[in-house]
Amino acid sequence: EVQLVQSGGGVVQPGGSLTLSCAASGFTFDDYMMHWVRQVPGKGLEWVALITWNGDITDYAESVKGRFTVSRDNRKNSLYLQMNGLSPVDTAVYYCARRRAGGNYLDSWGQGTLITVSS
Amino acid sequence: QSALTQPASVSGSPGQSITLSCAGSSSDIGRYNHVSWYQQHPGEAPKLVIYDVNARPSGASDRFSGSKSGNTASLTISGLQAEDEADYHCSSYAGSDTYVFGPGTRVNVL
Repeated sequence: EVQLVQSGGGVVQPGGSLTLSCAASGFTFDDYMMHWVRQVPGKGLEWVALITWNGDITDYAESVKGRFTVSRDNRKNSLYLQMNGLSPVDTAVYYCARRRAGGNYLDSWGQGTLITVSS
Repeated sequence: QSALTQPASVSGSPGQSITLSCAGSSSDIGRYNHVSWYQQHPGEAPKLVIYDVNARPSGASDRFSGSKSGNTASLTISGLQAEDEADYHCSSYAGSDTYVFGPGTRVNVL
């Protein structure tokens, strides 16, 4: 069974930093491109970042470019999102998601982790 | 502001069919046949119910069907059931391995 288990959420002050983790199991992690998607409570989804299977290519939404860094450790079957310079507009539930191999859609999602940026 | 446009809510009675719309542009929905729909119950992660406009993943109900015309995609839920009450998010591939989403439509089962 494909599982993506997230950790690392919480409350952080404006300007602060936080790192999210996403532990994968049930599939060959290094075969897959991975993404981060976020959702402001009560609002729609927003694509945040991607990383290729070997980590050599990353890309970011304009809203987080220069502040967020996505990385992965295939030996640990884990995906990460380092978030710096956080502001209240970054308050959201963050999801890790797997892109279907050979497809153009996100077929499995983590359970989500809430990040609250507040003083 | 979301890249795709969806109505805030759609309601229907049990057994009815309802259709949810998702409007995009020639850069996303109109350009790629990679529209996905996700069902999201309160407090849960999104769950894929349709991909590539009209394909159903294993385990998804056959009461869900999708279509596309021009820059607009649609999701039809047939034989509406109480368990279908949820938020439905549309998504389109937007090139360069990125995705755009709509704000979501709340389906209410009367």
